[in-house]
Amino acid sequence: ETGVTQSPTHLIKTRGQQVTLRCSSQSGHNTVSWYQQALGQGPQFIFQYYREEENGRGNFPPRFSGLQFPNYSSELNVNALELDDSALYLCASSFGTRNTEAFFGQGTRLTVV
Amino acid sequence: TQLLEQSPQFLSIQEGENLTVYCNSSSVFSSLQWYRQEPGEGPVLLVTVVTGGEVKKLKRLTFQFGDARKDSSLHITAAQPGDTGLYLCAGSHTGTASKLTFGTGTRLQVTL
Repeated sequence: ETGVTQSPTHLIKTRGQQVTLRCSSQSGHNTVSWYQQALGQGPQFIFQYYREEENGRGNFPPRFSGLQFPNYSSELNVNALELDDSALYLCASSFGTRNTEAFFGQGTRLTVV
Repeated sequence: TQLLEQSPQFLSIQEGENLTVYCNSSSVFSSLQWYRQEPGEGPVLLVTVVTGGEVKKLKRLTFQFGDARKDSSLHITAAQPGDTGLYLCAGSHTGTASKLTFGTGTRLQVTL
């Protein structure tokens, strides 16, 4: 167990709705990165938060947004859900931005119908 | 766009066999990691390689980073059913170590 927890574990939403996913980072870690893993593919980097500021973003539209709180937990928000947003959403926590060792949570499985 | 291509995509072998998984890119990475992911779980880090030509061993698993730091391989000796899972390579660039570019994945099934 990595100490990184995500909630909820599963979620079903309707196209056009909004969703918020949550991640609690491992104790002592101040960096959270979010990834989207479509079925049968490797994870794709969405964005990263370091000390409450966005620190880099992958090729995802603005309707994907996030927050990091003073306790370094994080939220991923997706607006105007599309069918293609159905995926496993993973968060990874690490210390700083130059440390290659990241610990992943178990993920949130989002299904958009 | 996946910058890291893994091969093979699927591999089904019997217990005791050896196998190699490849991870190739046209980009140079400052470090490369290998993860194993089981259904319903997040990826678990197996190893990090940072030096061109580096070889690391983890019990029956041998990892190699290419001399040019564009490719890597994972070799498993005498595979066991517990090795079953999705193997992912992931690269990072200098200064962005925790932003990972993942490969396409290799799904391994080891049967008795």
